[in-house]
Amino acid sequence: AQTVTQSQPEMSVQEAETVTLSCTYDTSESDYYLFWYKQPPSRQMILVIRQEAYKQQNATENRFSVNFQKAAKSFSLKISDSQLGDAAMYFCAYRSPWGAGSYQLTFGKGTKLSVIP
Amino acid sequence: DTEVTQTPKHLVMGMTNKKSLKCEQHMGHRAMYWYKQKAKKPPELMFVYSYEKLSINESVPSRFSPECPNSSLLNLHLHALQPEDSALYLCASSQGGQVQETQYFGPGTRLLVL
Repeated sequence: AQTVTQSQPEMSVQEAETVTLSCTYDTSESDYYLFWYKQPPSRQMILVIRQEAYKQQNATENRFSVNFQKAAKSFSLKISDSQLGDAAMYFCAYRSPWGAGSYQLTFGKGTKLSVIP
Repeated sequence: DTEVTQTPKHLVMGMTNKKSLKCEQHMGHRAMYWYKQKAKKPPELMFVYSYEKLSINESVPSRFSPECPNSSLLNLHLHALQPEDSALYLCASSQGGQVQETQYFGPGTRLLVL
């Protein structure tokens, strides 16, 4: 079974600064998908970024980028130029590519990010 | 458009009540999901429908009864719930088929059972 670990329960960052949230996972599969979801106080889970394991290139979405280290099974999220609206719980998630496991997201426990004005 | 809608936003019910949660998507997705999320925890998968058929039931008590009337709509019928069932209930959808792609979540229904 796959596991996802987010070792930082809480983090804070000054507005306009950069912060990195860490995520490690354990799997025996060679192909899979990794996600970062954001859940602000409004409670809606919002997709931040997605990475396919077979792609060497790190995914980027505007101010959000990942550092995907497949051999180390690490998938960290970097938020640049942090904004007040980035304050939220961030969940790292893993998904198998095929079969019944492809329906199931394995989530980490989350990292609560605070942004200091 | 990646919108999944859920109604109601909030629901308070007694342990003897019967109520339903509704989820709708118009993205042409063929897989739909129900999750339960307790405070400060990640979501827990409850049910998965694929092409309107129940594919996964994660040993959820029978007081929760899912229904998928068509490819755009997913319901969760609630009956004789317990106070510990109070939680945020999230619906999600994905493209479906062999490769499930990304799950997109709705805003959730916050349920309080008295």
